[in-house]
Amino acid sequence: GAGVSQSPSNKVTEKGKDVELRCDPISGHTALYWYRQSLGQGLEFLIYFQGNSAPDKSGLPSDRFSAERTGGSVSTLTIQRTQQEDSAVYLCASSLDGGGGTYNEQFFGPGTRLTVL
Amino acid sequence: AQSVTQLDSHVSVSEGTPVLLRCNYSSSYSPSLFWYVQHPNKGLQLLLKYTSAATLVKGINGFEAEFKKSETSFHLTKPSAHMSDAAEYFCVAMDTGRRALTFGSGTRLQVQP
Repeated sequence: GAGVSQSPSNKVTEKGKDVELRCDPISGHTALYWYRQSLGQGLEFLIYFQGNSAPDKSGLPSDRFSAERTGGSVSTLTIQRTQQEDSAVYLCASSLDGGGGTYNEQFFGPGTRLTVL
Repeated sequence: AQSVTQLDSHVSVSEGTPVLLRCNYSSSYSPSLFWYVQHPNKGLQLLLKYTSAATLVKGINGFEAEFKKSETSFHLTKPSAHMSDAAEYFCVAMDTGRRALTFGSGTRLQVQP
C-alpha cells in the first residue's frame, strides 16, 4: 500500500475487556514500531520489531500489553483487561531498516483512537 | 537516557512573520534529532532530520533547524509563516542503540491571519 495503515481508526470498549489493534506497515519495511499518544504522557515508545530479531519491549507499560508481528509484516497490539488510563491514540510506524548506523525515516500511520469507558 | 524539552507548549504568530520553535536535548552523545509535524486528524510527518552531517538542516515547506552542540539546542525556524503551517510540532531524538524515538511534549503553532 501507499502508506502505513491501522485499524480500526476508532475503538470504544468497556473497562476490563481485551482489545486488538492492527497495523499494516509499508511493503518491504523490515522495522515496525508502536507508540502511544495520550494527553497526560505525550508520545511514548511501546515496542519495536526488527526483522526476525527479538522485539524490544522496553516501552510496554504493563504485562497487560503485548504485541506480535506475523510473517515479518502485519502487527497486532493487544491490550488485556483494559483500564481507563489505556485511553489514547496508538500509533504504528515502519521503516526500511531499524539497524546499522544509518537512520531510515519512520513513516507513521493515522493511529487508532482507543477509548475505555 | 535521552530527553527532549520543547520550551513552548503554544506559539502564536501572524501570517508572513518568522516562526521559532525551541527545542533542547539532553544526551551523553551526539544524538540523531528530528522535527515531526502533526496536522489535525492526520499522521505524523517528518519535517527534517539531523544525523551529524551539516549542522544547518533544511526540511520541507521552508522549515530549517540548526544543531548547536554548545547549547544542546535544535530550534526549528521558518522565515515566513503560512496559514497551512498551523499544527503541532514535535522535536524528537533517537537512541541509535535502540532506534526508538523519544518525543518532546510538542508545540502547538497557531498562525493568525
